[in-house]
Amino acid sequence: EVQLVESGGGLVQPGGSLRLSCAASGFTFSSYEMNWVRQAPGKGLEWVSYISSSGSTIYYADSVKGRFTISRDNAKNSLYLQMNSLRAEDTAVYYCARAPNNDYGDYWGQGTLVTVSS
Amino acid sequence: EIVLTQSPATLSLSPGERATLSCRASQSVSSYLAWYQQKPGQAPRLLIYDASNRATGIPARFSGSGSGTDFTLTISSLEPEDFAVYYCQQRSNWPLWTFGQGTKVEIK
Repeated sequence: EVQLVESGGGLVQPGGSLRLSCAASGFTFSSYEMNWVRQAPGKGLEWVSYISSSGSTIYYADSVKGRFTISRDNAKNSLYLQMNSLRAEDTAVYYCARAPNNDYGDYWGQGTLVTVSS
Repeated sequence: EIVLTQSPATLSLSPGERATLSCRASQSVSSYLAWYQQKPGQAPRLLIYDASNRATGIPARFSGSGSGTDFTLTISSLEPEDFAVYYCQQRSNWPLWTFGQGTKVEIK
C-alpha cells in the first residue's frame, strides 16, 4: 500500500524556520518525482515545489523561491522541505504528493499544518 | 501563467441528481488536466487524469471530458459521499502545477 506521511509542522514566529519531512512507503520512492503542495486555511490548493526522481532537477513557485529548499534522500525514502524566512502568508497545510511523470498527484499524504504567527 | 477558472463556485444538489462541474483554462492545456475530490480535513484524492481517465478505484459514476481550454467533470448520480470540494489541475507548463479555485458540491 502506498503511504506518504508528513511531519515537522508546527507554530513558528515570522522569520523563523521549519523543516518538513515526508516518509514514503509501499512503492519504489527513487523512481518517482515528488511535489509539495500547500493549502491555506479555507483556501484552495497551491503548488509549492517539484523535485525529480534523482533530485537533480528542482523548481519552486515564485512565492517561495529563495526561501524554501526541497530535497530528497532516496536511501531513506524521504522527501524534505526546508522553509526559512517564514511569513504569515506561509501558514497552510503542506502536502507531499507522488507525481508519475509529474502530470498529476496520484497519492497524497495527510498533510502537516504550519502556522506562522507571533 | 495559465489560469484555471472553475464554475460554479457552489453547486447545490440532492443525492441521485447529476452534477456537472466546469473548468476553463486561460490558454490550451491540451489534455493535461486532472480532477481531485477533497473532503474536510482530508487530502485531495485523484479522480480523473489526462482529462478523461479514471484513476484507480474511482467509481464509474465519475467521468471527465474536454480538451484544449474547456473541461467538464460529471457525476452521473450523486451518492452521499460525493458531497465535497472538487479541484481541477493542469501541468501544461511543466513542471508547474496550477489549480482551479474549486467547486463545492453541497447537499440541497
